Amino acid sequence: GAGVSQSPRYKVAKRGQDVALRCDPISGHVSLFWYQQALGQGPEFLTYFQNEAQLDKSGLPSDRFFAERPEGSVSTLKIQRTQQEDSAVYLCASSLRELAGRWETQYFGPGTRLLVL
Amino acid sequence: QQQVKQSPQSLIVQKGGISIINCAYENTAFDYFPWYQQFPGKGPALLIAIRPDVSEKKEGRFTISFNKSAKQFSLHIMDSQPGDSATYFCAASIRNFNKFYFGSGTKLNVKP
Repeated sequence: GAGVSQSPRYKVAKRGQDVALRCDPISGHVSLFWYQQALGQGPEFLTYFQNEAQLDKSGLPSDRFFAERPEGSVSTLKIQRTQQEDSAVYLCASSLRELAGRWETQYFGPGTRLLVL
Repeated sequence: QQQVKQSPQSLIVQKGGISIINCAYENTAFDYFPWYQQFPGKGPALLIAIRPDVSEKKEGRFTISFNKSAKQFSLHIMDSQPGDSATYFCAASIRNFNKFYFGSGTKLNVKP
């Protein structure tokens, strides 16, 4: 079956522009995660959704970052007034059930590579 | 502050050799330790995972060794193959929290 898909795969933005990154999780997956992966580093947690509820946004680096999952499936990560330090790969992952209380497997998408000039 | 420290940053191994990647953590609340494999242009994919109630888990050529007292765990790739060339990430999580902490990654190059 289809895995996690993300679009666009590459995005070049001028500093100050707003960007929107889309994630299509595996159908039926309850949990959805966004991670930021800087060049040569491991993914860093940004935010977590259980269905449409954003239960943890502790990793969002500033109030310029906003994520939503209004119908509990597709999610969008929006970055307002992009800065050069926002350049990274943004990974989306989903899991069948919520992680809490279980050891669930996260399935990652290919990521969106964002370059802010 | 990095929750999970991974070494080495890069590793070159001859085909057929053993690749060893190490990770260390401080938070004793961590209770799930997965390893992910990432190829260029792809997202990480779960390779193997271990819980702290066992000291070793083996799946094919991949083995996790876990030392709870030392708060360390490692990935061993036996009979390394050129197709194993990828970046490997260790991670840790606390079961009741929906968050994974990743190491900084090890870029493995297996030479034919």
